[in-house]
Amino acid sequence: DTAVSQTPKYLVTQMGNDKSIKCEQNLGHDTMYWYKQDSKKFLKIMFSYNNKELIINETVPNRFSPKSPDKAHLNLHINSLELGDSAVYFCASSQSKDTQYFGPGTRLTVL
Amino acid sequence: TQLLEQSPQFLSIQEGENLTVYCNSSSVFSSLQWYRQEPGEGPVLLVTVVTGGEVKKLKRLTFQFGDARKDSSLHITAAQPGDTGLYLCAEISSGTYKYIFGTGTRLKVLA
Repeated sequence: DTAVSQTPKYLVTQMGNDKSIKCEQNLGHDTMYWYKQDSKKFLKIMFSYNNKELIINETVPNRFSPKSPDKAHLNLHINSLELGDSAVYFCASSQSKDTQYFGPGTRLTVL
Repeated sequence: TQLLEQSPQFLSIQEGENLTVYCNSSSVFSSLQWYRQEPGEGPVLLVTVVTGGEVKKLKRLTFQFGDARKDSSLHITAAQPGDTGLYLCAEISSGTYKYIFGTGTRLKVLA
């Protein structure tokens, strides 16, 4: 039983394309997050949703747009992909501010 | 902005050796978490420390929170190859859902 799942696991695409990453959690949590981990393994929060409402929106280019259709899902759409977007993107969930559970990550490579 | 510096950045040791990893901040932590991330996976929470001077043990891992709550350490006794991974400290900004992660320590334990 996967607690937090992400698709796809790997994503290779050309510069300028638009792509989406999906995240689902079956833990019944009310809060979900998107993080970006760069090549130096630095993990930085991008967005957070609580009960489908955006509560954290860090300094992220507006080419990145999160969408939460319901409490169990948080998707990330990226427009006009750039080389610098290459990274591993992690989804996570928590019940309020309790323990975060991370997904396995999506490795995005922009060529 | 809170900055969490970890040291060392990289650590390669032989099985059976002891090691300590540090996490330091320019500000006082409200609480501090330690995570371990294995290759190809998301971070997994190891422990949360809340009170200054607090010490928690998890088998061969000992976590200490500084008295002034501006630093923390993770000590591993008799390291094993299974301890290999990226160790991250993290703090949740007071009053928010925003987690700030440290710069990370990459540990490799050789058999």
